[in-house]
Amino acid sequence: AQSVTQLDSHVSVSEGTPVLLRCNYSSSYSPSLFWYVQHPNKGLQLLLKYTSAATLVKGINGFEAEFKKSETSFHLTKPSAHMSDAAEYFCVVSDRGSQGNLIFGKGTKLSVKP
Amino acid sequence: DAGVTQSPTHLIKTRGQHVTLRCSPISGHKSVSWYQQVLGQGPQFIFQYYEKEERGRGNFPDRFSARQFPNYSSELNVNALLLGDSALYLCASSNFRTPYISYEQYFGPGTRLTVT
Repeated sequence: AQSVTQLDSHVSVSEGTPVLLRCNYSSSYSPSLFWYVQHPNKGLQLLLKYTSAATLVKGINGFEAEFKKSETSFHLTKPSAHMSDAAEYFCVVSDRGSQGNLIFGKGTKLSVKP
Repeated sequence: DAGVTQSPTHLIKTRGQHVTLRCSPISGHKSVSWYQQVLGQGPQFIFQYYEKEERGRGNFPDRFSARQFPNYSSELNVNALLLGDSALYLCASSNFRTPYISYEQYFGPGTRLTVT
């Protein structure tokens, strides 16, 4: 069965410092992996996706993620945090086993200090 | 272009009542999925509809049902509401055609359901 583990429930960084949000996945097939962001009282916005092309994926707002099959990881990074990055981030897996439906992690809350 | 729209935005119901939530997908998208997000958790898959047929169902009781209309909009119905049904209900649309490929799903703002 597919699953996602977000290794940190809360990450706090200072503005201008790098961001690292960690995600490990489990999948019996070639997975598609996504990162979604949810700002308070808002819906989910797709940040980036991996679908078996380049292993380093660039997304919106300066975020990127690297697919590492050997480590079953898909960590999200950003070189320099901005105050507007403060939100909840979800790592998501989808594959043939889930028939394309999304399996979400529990989320990582990112706080950005001035 | 308009994104995914949902109505109502907020809803307060009493235990035992019934609720209907509505969703309109992005123009051109024929698939709608529903997710439940309990406070502090990631969304959980409830249903997927494509071309008015149910294509997938998550691990939810039969009190939950849904349907999709000819214009691809969708309703989620929940009967005999329990306190534990209090959550944000999210609708997502996609350009789904086959279950063997993963498609991007675009989410609406959600309906916040409170059961008292």
